[in-house]
Amino acid sequence: NAGVTQTPKFRILKIGQSMTLQCTQDMNHNYMYWYRQDPGMGLKLIYYSVGAGITDKGEVPNGYNVSRSTTEDFPLRLELAAPSQTSVYFCASSSRQFLNEQYFGPGTRLTVT
Amino acid sequence: AQSVTQPDIHITVSEGASLELRCNYSYGATPYLFWYVQSPGQGLQLLLKYFSGDTLVQGIKGFEAEFKRSQSSFNLRKPSVHWSDAAEYFCAVGDQTGANNLFFGTGTRLTVIP
Repeated sequence: NAGVTQTPKFRILKIGQSMTLQCTQDMNHNYMYWYRQDPGMGLKLIYYSVGAGITDKGEVPNGYNVSRSTTEDFPLRLELAAPSQTSVYFCASSSRQFLNEQYFGPGTRLTVT
Repeated sequence: AQSVTQPDIHITVSEGASLELRCNYSYGATPYLFWYVQSPGQGLQLLLKYFSGDTLVQGIKGFEAEFKRSQSSFNLRKPSVHWSDAAEYFCAVGDQTGANNLFFGTGTRLTVIP
């Protein structure tokens, strides 16, 4: 099993550009999450999904969109990139069976200039 | 609302010394508690978790943590630190309302000196 994979690993965007961060898991997990991690801070939840077709906002959803058309994939969309979105983005997944235990991808480091 | 506080931003210990990282939580019911470790440039890896039962839980890499309800704490310990333990450590509390969400502390960065 590859676990949780994320692409790309690094990206530089100009202000106003858009992009999609990809996340795929092969563990058949129902739950998936997107976090951002800013320097010296913990992880803050952007969006989450409890199953295909179901998504909900987390703590910091502004400026982002998500979709969940399959169990495996949970892409994160930035429509109009802003410098405040410079961060490291982590995708995670978990099983309904193993409460709250989340498995994390390696992260995407995004810089907006 | 649930929250996690890690009072120590940065800790430095000598290799071979013991380690304790502090974590305090706020949660209305019996919490689900976790410690994760993040090595430089990597994602987060689960070290250990507490759901119920024995309040002293063992994890990977020789770590353990003790749940103390009276102090709302879940401190992480290791008897003898290795240079490879240098990393960022995050405590988290689980949301039990159905979405399996985690609420993270701000982390403690551990430096190990030879």
